[in-house]
Amino acid sequence: EVRLLDSGGGLVQPGGSLRLSCVASGLSFSSAWMSWVRQAPGKGLEWVATINRDGGDKYYVDSVKGRFTISRDNAKSSLYLQMNSLRAEDTAVYYCARRDVSSQIFDYWGQGTLVTVSS
Amino acid sequence: QSGLTQPPSASGSPGQSVTISCTGTSSDVGAYNFVSWYQQHPGKAPKLIIYEVTKRPSGVPDRFSGSKSGNTASLTVSGLQAEDEADYYCSSYGVSNTLRVFGGGTKLTVL
Repeated sequence: EVRLLDSGGGLVQPGGSLRLSCVASGLSFSSAWMSWVRQAPGKGLEWVATINRDGGDKYYVDSVKGRFTISRDNAKSSLYLQMNSLRAEDTAVYYCARRDVSSQIFDYWGQGTLVTVSS
Repeated sequence: QSGLTQPPSASGSPGQSVTISCTGTSSDVGAYNFVSWYQQHPGKAPKLIIYEVTKRPSGVPDRFSGSKSGNTASLTVSGLQAEDEADYYCSSYGVSNTLRVFGGGTKLTVL
């Protein structure tokens, strides 16, 4: 069974930083493209970032470029999202998800971790 | 504004069928057979229910079906059940506006 366990969310002040983690099991993590998708309270899904299998290619939505960094450690089957210069509009539940590039889908999702940016 | 457009709400009575549309452009929905649909219950993570326009992952009931015509994809839920009440999101490869990889979502209410 594939499991993605998100963690690292919490309350942070505007301008602060937070690092999210996602530990994967039940899949060949080193062969998987991975993504972060977020959902602001009461809003829809928003793709945030994607990383390829070896971490050499990274893609971001414009609103987080220069502030967020996606990374991975294949030896630990772990995905990360380093979030700096956080803004109130970054408040959301953040989900890690596997990106199946052959079908262009997010086929497995973590349970989500809530990030609240507020003073 | 490019992206995928869904109706904000849809509804039907138990046993009925309901169809949710997802309108894109000739550069995304119309160009590729990479349309997917996700179901999300309140407080839960999204779940993939349709991929490559018409395919269902293992375990998804065949009451859920997908189709596409031109630049519009559709999700049909047949034989509505109470547990089908949820938010549904479409997604397509090729969307030029990465803010809109997902449609805005449709809240399905089972009356």
